[in-house]
Amino acid sequence: NAGVMQNPRHLVRRRGQEARLRCSPMKGHSHVYWYRQLPEEGLKFMVYLQKENIIDESGMPKERFSAEFPKEGPSILRIQQVVRGDSAAYFCASSPPESHADTQYFGPGTRLTVL
Amino acid sequence: DAKTTQPPSMDCAEGRAANLPCNHSTISGNEYVYWYRQIHSQGPQYIIHGLKNNETNEMASLIITEDRKSSTLILPHATLRDTAVYYCIVRVVYAGNTGKLIFGQGTTLQVKP
Repeated sequence: NAGVMQNPRHLVRRRGQEARLRCSPMKGHSHVYWYRQLPEEGLKFMVYLQKENIIDESGMPKERFSAEFPKEGPSILRIQQVVRGDSAAYFCASSPPESHADTQYFGPGTRLTVL
Repeated sequence: DAKTTQPPSMDCAEGRAANLPCNHSTISGNEYVYWYRQIHSQGPQYIIHGLKNNETNEMASLIITEDRKSSTLILPHATLRDTAVYYCIVRVVYAGNTGKLIFGQGTTLQVKP
């Protein structure tokens, strides 16, 4: 059973460009979470999605950031007009539908560098 | 979710047991204790979780005190590859819970030869 997959693993963007980060959850998992880790800092929750629904986006910056988890295909974290402060590791996690045992399993992350 | 307190760093000799403590004195009855680790900026790796009883799996053991105010993660025979930041997280698990994990600073475990 393949784990959580993220791509690209490394992404370089210039200021003002758009960044799209993709996450494919583990097979059978219907919950996806995005976390961000700024350099030398801890992991911070960003958003929690189920298929076609955003459940909790309390950690998302108010502007430029959006996330989706369509019925088909991977979850996408989109950052518009990137700035240097967006440089970070972005991790996706997934969990199974049973909420009483929703252990989250993490992907390897996407490291975004904004020049 | 309850707050946790962990020592910032610990050392352990290779081959010996590593015992990582975690205080969660404000834990409530429906909150689980989860442990994750992050090896050198890789994705966090799930280790183990428990509610009341002690738990053991192929990676580690989790000992939770009777009053549930603290717990200890035990790596029985630490290897150099266990060098990582270990996070203790308490969270409610129930239908409708948003599920977010709140990571603290964790404990940096250095396993030495």
